[in-house]
Amino acid sequence: AQSVSQHNHHVILSEAASLELGCNYSYGGTVNLFWYVQYPGQHLQLLLKYFSGDPLVKGIKGFEAEFIKSKFSFNLRKPSVQWSDTAEYFCAVNGGGGGFKTIFGAGTRLFVKA
Amino acid sequence: DGGITQSPKYLFRKEGQNVTLSCEQNLNHDAMYWYRQDPGQGLRLIYYSQIVNDFQKGDIAEGYSVSREKKESFPLTVTSAQKNPTAFYLCASSIVGLAGGANTGELFFGEGSRLTVL
Repeated sequence: AQSVSQHNHHVILSEAASLELGCNYSYGGTVNLFWYVQYPGQHLQLLLKYFSGDPLVKGIKGFEAEFIKSKFSFNLRKPSVQWSDTAEYFCAVNGGGGGFKTIFGAGTRLFVKA
Repeated sequence: DGGITQSPKYLFRKEGQNVTLSCEQNLNHDAMYWYRQDPGQGLRLIYYSQIVNDFQKGDIAEGYSVSREKKESFPLTVTSAQKNPTAFYLCASSIVGLAGGANTGELFFGEGSRLTVL
């Protein structure tokens, strides 16, 4: 069965620190990969996505993620976090091929200290 | 503005009562989904519907039921058979077959409904 593993459940950083959130998935075929973000009191929204092509994808608010196929990973990065990045981040995988099951990781709660 | 509307936002019910959560979308998306979010467990798929009058069980369908009589609407009923119904429920939708392509798995979410069973 497909699964998504996020390495850190809680991360605390100071403003301007660099961020990397790990995400590994288990699925043998073609995948579509996503990072979603849930800001306090707001609905889940798409941060970035990878379908094909350049494995380094850029999203909103300065976030980027790198797909490393050999490692089954899709880690999220940001060079310098801001207080407003405080949120919960979810990695998600869809098995591609037009399937309707998108599997989510357990989430990482990021708290950025001002 | 197009989007997904879930109601109610907060709901309290007694044990043994069925509860129906509403989800309406005006994005003209074909597929709709219900996920359950619990702390530390991420989102788990309850049911999904690719098209009107058709739906499939997700990973945790036991104790839940859905209907899809209209493209815009996908209500979820949490029945008394659901052993641990207190949770945050999220409705989502996706585009299917845009420009001849298949479903990508990219989801658009509502704001959620928080159900507490007392």
